[in-house]
Amino acid sequence: EVQLVQSRAEVKKPGESLKISCKGSGYSTSYWIGWVRQMPGKGLEWMGTIYPGDSDVRYSPSFEGQVTISGDESIYNSYLQWTSLKASDTGMYYCARLGGTGIPPRGPIDYWGQGTLVSVSS
Amino acid sequence: SYVLTQPPSVSVAPGKTARITCGGNNIGRRSVHWYQQKPGQAPVLVIYYDSDRPSGIPERFSGSNSANTATLTVSRVEAGDEADYYCEVWDSSNDRVFGGGTKLTVL
Repeated sequence: EVQLVQSRAEVKKPGESLKISCKGSGYSTSYWIGWVRQMPGKGLEWMGTIYPGDSDVRYSPSFEGQVTISGDESIYNSYLQWTSLKASDTGMYYCARLGGTGIPPRGPIDYWGQGTLVSVSS
Repeated sequence: SYVLTQPPSVSVAPGKTARITCGGNNIGRRSVHWYQQKPGQAPVLVIYYDSDRPSGIPERFSGSNSANTATLTVSRVEAGDEADYYCEVWDSSNDRVFGGGTKLTVL
């Protein structure tokens, strides 16, 4: 069974740094992993994607320079990082596995993580 | 950047048919995916490549895409279908774009 398990909820102060994680299992080859933001009571926003196999990263223009998407030596791990959080970063962050072909793939998001809630407040 | 427009809300009585639209310039030339999100849960794929249905999704869910409008149709609506629904396409400039979402209310 394919699963994406994300790190626990975080409560932070403005200006603090944060790195949240997404760990995949149940598949044997590398897949592109995307990150999606959902602010409180709002819709889904595409942030960017990474191919953990070689750490190829693509950012949505809206998020480039605001966050860092990264991986490590494992094809199953992906991370989303902030160096200086703002109150406006408060929201739910989902990692998601991308299906289909292409670099990056154009197919559907076939699996989602459970989400990591990030709360930023002074 | 490419924009997808969805109605904020759609209401339907149980047993009736709900149609949720997703508008975009020449969206019929793109592949559209649809996701269902219930309160407090992660989204779930319900339709992909315009009209394909993942295993485990009821046949009551169907999709179409032509010209400037893609449509998600939910037939014989049940109380359990109440959720937010999002369309999504791949875009060369943004990688992926989501519609604003439609809240389906079962009366």
